[in-house]
Amino acid sequence: DAGVIQSPRHEVTEMGQEVTLRCKPISGHNSLFWYRQTMMRGLELLIYFNNNVPIDDSGMPEDRFSAKMPNASFSTLKIQPSEPRDSAVYFCASSSGQAYGYTFGSGTRLTVV
Amino acid sequence: AQSVTQLGSHVSVSEGALVLLRCNYSSSVPPYLFWYVQYPNQGLQLLLKYTSAATLVKGINGFEAEFKKSETSFHLTKPSAHMSDAAEYFCAVTKRSGGSYIPTFGRGTSLIVHP
Repeated sequence: DAGVIQSPRHEVTEMGQEVTLRCKPISGHNSLFWYRQTMMRGLELLIYFNNNVPIDDSGMPEDRFSAKMPNASFSTLKIQPSEPRDSAVYFCASSSGQAYGYTFGSGTRLTVV
Repeated sequence: AQSVTQLGSHVSVSEGALVLLRCNYSSSVPPYLFWYVQYPNQGLQLLLKYTSAATLVKGINGFEAEFKKSETSFHLTKPSAHMSDAAEYFCAVTKRSGGSYIPTFGRGTSLIVHP
């Protein structure tokens, strides 16, 4: 298994542009999580899906952020328009149940200038 | 609500010395607890997990952790530190939300290993 795959690994964009981050979870995992990591706030849960359905998006900071999971093998996190304060590392994780733990991708380092 | 507190944002040890990273949790029910490690520019990797079986849990790379309900603790230890252990370590507890269990992470402890 290739693990959780995120793309791109690095993204540099100008303020106001749309940014789309992608995630492919591990096959068979029914839960998917998007996290944001910054020095100031640590790891913050943005949104999570169960069986492709968004369950809790209370961690999404603003309406500029949106996430979709059109099928069991793909999810996107979109920021439109992007702002410099969105600069962070964004992680995707998937799981088949809490007893098995959570597998993280390598992350996308986003820089908004 | 379940949460975790990691005591000490930085821990510094000499190579070969004992490693002790502290984690306390708050939970109204027996929790599932995890330790993750993050190397620079990488994602989080599961070190070990406690799932209500043995209270002493052994993980990868020689790490282990002991669940102590009376102290609400889940401290991570390793008898002898290696330079390669230098990384960020996160303790996590799962909490129930909307029919699912989601991990809530501590702020992390940076382990520094001196030669």
